[in-house]
Amino acid sequence: ILNVEQSPQSLHVQEGDSTNFTCSFPSSNFYALHWYRWETAKSPEALFVMTLNGDEKKKGRISATLNTKEGYSYLYIKGSQPEDSATYLCAHSNYQLIWGAGTKLIIKP
Amino acid sequence: EAQVTQNPRYLITVTGKKLTVTCSQNMNHEYMSWYRQDPGLGLRQIYYSMNVEVTDKGDVPEGYKVSRKEKRNFPLILESPSPNQTSLYFCASSGRGERYGYTFGSGTRLTVV
Repeated sequence: ILNVEQSPQSLHVQEGDSTNFTCSFPSSNFYALHWYRWETAKSPEALFVMTLNGDEKKKGRISATLNTKEGYSYLYIKGSQPEDSATYLCAHSNYQLIWGAGTKLIIKP
Repeated sequence: EAQVTQNPRYLITVTGKKLTVTCSQNMNHEYMSWYRQDPGLGLRQIYYSMNVEVTDKGDVPEGYKVSRKEKRNFPLILESPSPNQTSLYFCASSGRGERYGYTFGSGTRLTVV
């Protein structure tokens, strides 16, 4: 994989359900993997920066895992709430940040 | 409050009229960067700066200039804007090394007619 790919592109989730989505990145020359939340009409906000294979990070109901050997990271949201509606961006760093196109998450009440 | 301040938020201009979008950070960050975001595309880097007087091209530098004369400021200059530069622009900064998350400015929505 030459680029950073995120899937799915968009996701509708019922309020209260848990969900997850994927970021795939080149596994060679890994340095760091970033996750950001980008709410409409705001600027991207850093969630996690992950650097070690097997790393797991958590912030409230949101957590992320990292597999640098196979080149993927998962972002999990437990018990989705309306305020979780946003686009979630990941970015891979080996020298510069290369950004994925994002997963747009919409929480249905 | 630690922040990246970007101005203006919105700008409509005409083709060929030089403009500058300002970016200032108060966190003493070494690294600053400009991105543009277009529908259906990820953030694309225009220029970045590793420190004062050190700048380099990103993925889409054509039609843009930057300068880094002071650590806190990193203006983006469009010498002769064209309609294909209509976009949403973000400035971002980070501490030394890319293991730190980026702090983004509030964005500038530029329309070139």
